[in-house]
Parts: sequence; structure tokens; C-alpha cells
Amino acid sequence: KNEVEQSPQNLTAQEGEFITINCSYSVGISALHWLQQHPGGGIVSLFMLSSGKKKHGRLIATINIQEKHSSLHITASHPRDSAVYICAGQGAQKLVFGQGTRLTINP
Amino acid sequence: ETGVTQTPRHLVMGMTNKKSLKCEQHLGHNAMYWYKQSAKKPLELMFVYSLEERVENNSVPSRFSPECPNSSHLFLHLHTLQPEDSALYLCASSQKLSFFDSASYEQYFGPGTRLTVT
Repeated sequence: KNEVEQSPQNLTAQEGEFITINCSYSVGISALHWLQQHPGGGIVSLFMLSSGKKKHGRLIATINIQEKHSSLHITASHPRDSAVYICAGQGAQKLVFGQGTRLTINP
Repeated sequence: ETGVTQTPRHLVMGMTNKKSLKCEQHLGHNAMYWYKQSAKKPLELMFVYSLEERVENNSVPSRFSPECPNSSHLFLHLHTLQPEDSALYLCASSQKLSFFDSASYEQYFGPGTRLTVT
């Protein structure tokens, strides 16, 4: 079992839908990262959070330290949101990555 | 425009070749990382450098040899690779090295080098 698990692995939705991607971790972490990877490989850091909730535009990330669970939400989804979303736990000196969630938003 | 650049973006090499991947960060960061991303696998950390000193070597085969001549540049030297080494190699940097129970620093990723070993 991976130390960081994401669900679902694949998600297809229609434009405008509310999207939720979940991340559970079994290791001790000091922070959790959400990353976005577009086709071609480039990775962009979306959020780094250690408690509570953060919001940036249509993206919202939450974390529950007691339950070792984080969620990434996308409101009013758009085809340009199509990408792989990766969560990663910050452990000692390194990030431990989930396997990623491939999101496809159809127009 | 990302502050972390990688060259080349694509590389095809034979198993007997020697090549190098280059990463450069223009963010004034002190920590740099090499990651490998194989198809359908999570990102794997290969090497970590902090202030030009290697602090992590994640059981990477010796055919991969990193070099960090200064805090802005990171190289990955490749020789006698295997076809299973074909992957996307990503470089990242952060302001400082993150430690457990201490401050966590956001990592900034480069665009990656798509490597194919034939």
C-alpha cells in the first residue's frame, strides 16, 4: 500500500461541474502539497498546506490532520483544468507522492 | 515563465552513450532535486542537494551521477543506461531544504526532460 493514496485515479466530468479529488496519507508529514501536471510534463505547485483550508481562484484545498486526509476541489470546472493532479506529503527531507488523478473536463 | 529551466527537453540516447541533463534555477533557492517519473508510477525522488552538498541519494543506480557545481545549477550525468530508464526527469528547487517538524518550503518544478533509451 502506498504511503500516499489518491482517489479517484481517473475522473471525467462535464464543464461546469464541481470536482473533488481526495488524498489520504499514512505517514507523518509537516505539510501537504497539491501539484498540477499538464500534458508534456511540466508541474505547477498549486497549494502547500499544513492545516485548514486554502483558496486560489476556483481551486480550494482542505486538510484534516487528525484524519490524515486532504481534498482538492475545483468549482465551475473548465476544459483547461484537464490535467493530472498530484498530492504529496512533506516528510523528512523529501516529498512522498501519490500516484496522481487524471482529470478530463469535457466541453 | 517558470524560474526553473531544464535542457534538453527531449533526449534519445543509445545504451552506450554518455549524456547530461541540465537544470538551472533563477529563484535564489538553496535546495535542488532530481525526480524520475515513469509511466503510471508516482514521482520518485532521486537526489537532493542543499547548498551544493548532496543530502539524499535514494538508492539510485550508479549509471546516474548528479553534480551540483553551485546553488543555481544541477546536472544529471547519464552513462550506459537501460531501456527501463526511459522516463521524464524533473528538476525542482526550493528556498531551503524542508525538514520534518520544521518549516516546509514549496518546490518549483522545471518542465522536465523526456528521455528515451534505445
